[in-house]
Amino acid sequence: AQSVTQLGSHVSVSEGALVLLRCNYSSSVPPYLFWYVQYPNQGLQLLLKYTSAATLVKGINGFEAEFKKSETSFHLTKPSAHMSDAAEYFCAVINPGGNEKLTFGTGTRLTIIP
Amino acid sequence: EAGVTQFPSHSVIEKGQTVTLRCDPISGHDNLYWYRRVMGKEIKFLLHFVKESKQDESGMPNNRFLAERTGGTYSTLKVQPAELEDSGVYFCASSPDRGLPNEKLFFGSGTQLSVL
Repeated sequence: AQSVTQLGSHVSVSEGALVLLRCNYSSSVPPYLFWYVQYPNQGLQLLLKYTSAATLVKGINGFEAEFKKSETSFHLTKPSAHMSDAAEYFCAVINPGGNEKLTFGTGTRLTIIP
Repeated sequence: EAGVTQFPSHSVIEKGQTVTLRCDPISGHDNLYWYRRVMGKEIKFLLHFVKESKQDESGMPNNRFLAERTGGTYSTLKVQPAELEDSGVYFCASSPDRGLPNEKLFFGSGTQLSVL
C-alpha cells in the first residue's frame, strides 16, 4: 500500500521568503510522486512530477522538489514566494507496479504575507 | 480548448434527498475519474471509466453512489439518498492516455456538496 503525509495543513510565509512544503511518502516499491496545486475556484493543476529520472525536479512557476529515497521525502520548495503562490498544494503518489490511482495527501494551504 | 467542466459548482441539499453531479471531460479523453475530498482530509479516488465502461470502482463508498457515463462522453454521479458524511468536494478528471505516470490528467474545479 502507498500513502502520503503532508506536514502542516497551513503554512504562511512572507512575500519574497523561501517556500517549503513537506511531503513524506510510504511505498513498497519506488514510487512516482507528484505535486498538484489548486488556486481558488480552479481545478487541480500539475506542478511537477518525479518518475525515477533526475531526483531534483523542476516544475512550473519556479517550484522544484527533490526526491530523497533515504528520507522518503519529496518536499516542495520555491526560493522566493510571490503573492500569486497563495493556494492549496497536494502531494500525491502512484505505485508504478500497481493500479493507476493517485493517492493524495491532505493538502497544505499556503498563505503569502505581504 | 475547453477544460474539464463540472456542474453544479455548489449544491446544498438536505439529508435524504438526491443529488446528481455532472462532469464533462475534455473532448476525446477516454479516461474519466471521480475523486472526493471530505473536509480537511485527503482527496480520495472513487472510480475510473474508460469510455463508457467502469474500469475500477473500488473507491465508491457504498451503494448510495451511482456513476454513469453515457456514450463515453459526460459522466454523472448520483447520491441517493444523501447522508451528512457525503459532504465534500467532488472532483472529476480526464485523460487521453492510460498508464503511468499519467501526466496528462486534467482536473475540473470540483462540486462542493453540502448535506444538511
